[in-house]
Amino acid sequence: DGGITQSPKYLFRKEGQNVTLSCEQNLNHDAMYWYRQDPGQGLRLIYYSQIVNDFQKGDIAEGYSVSREKKESFPLTVTSAQKNPTAFYLCASSIVAGGGSPGNEQFFGPGTRLTVL
Amino acid sequence: QQQVKQSPQSLIVQKGGISIINCAYENTAFDYFPWYQQFPGKGPALLIAIRPDVSEKKEGRFTISFNKSAKQFSLHIMDSQPGDSATYFCAAWDNYGQNFVFGPGTRLSVLP
Repeated sequence: DGGITQSPKYLFRKEGQNVTLSCEQNLNHDAMYWYRQDPGQGLRLIYYSQIVNDFQKGDIAEGYSVSREKKESFPLTVTSAQKNPTAFYLCASSIVAGGGSPGNEQFFGPGTRLTVL
Repeated sequence: QQQVKQSPQSLIVQKGGISIINCAYENTAFDYFPWYQQFPGKGPALLIAIRPDVSEKKEGRFTISFNKSAKQFSLHIMDSQPGDSATYFCAAWDNYGQNFVFGPGTRLSVLP
């Protein structure tokens, strides 16, 4: 059963702590993405990766870090430098990087809700 | 600054009615326009998508209408059902930035 899994579903962080959100896909997709979703706003791109061992900053990368050591995995670390980390975080993947064509849309995981205490 | 504007912010429709959500953009580099449906606490799911060389695409009760000259596109949900109650996002592929840009979303409520 192919898909994208994210864990944990809910995550609580104390101020000053780093936390890591997990994203795994078994779709054999090359490209993976992290988005942040805030109420009343669209999805904002944090980081994306087109291939293993390579990743690019998105629109709001400050305070976040990622790694792509395996094709299937793209973990996101929310560092203490992120001033307002409380949000819903979504991981996505697509067959290849580049989008913009039928069959290469992004597929999303179920999300992780991060709350800073 | 929103690159993709979406309206209305929220929409209430009676069961069996037509739900219409509109999106507009200005960036001519935008190409390929998917719509996503998101239920509370879940990730968005691809609903339907359209290329800019097509004026309309229909899949079941869902239809996208696209007006390239006006840079506008809309989602029509025919015979709306309570199960359609969700947040809908339009998106556009930015050929220059090489990423999808999303609208802010429309929360649809279909009353039984």
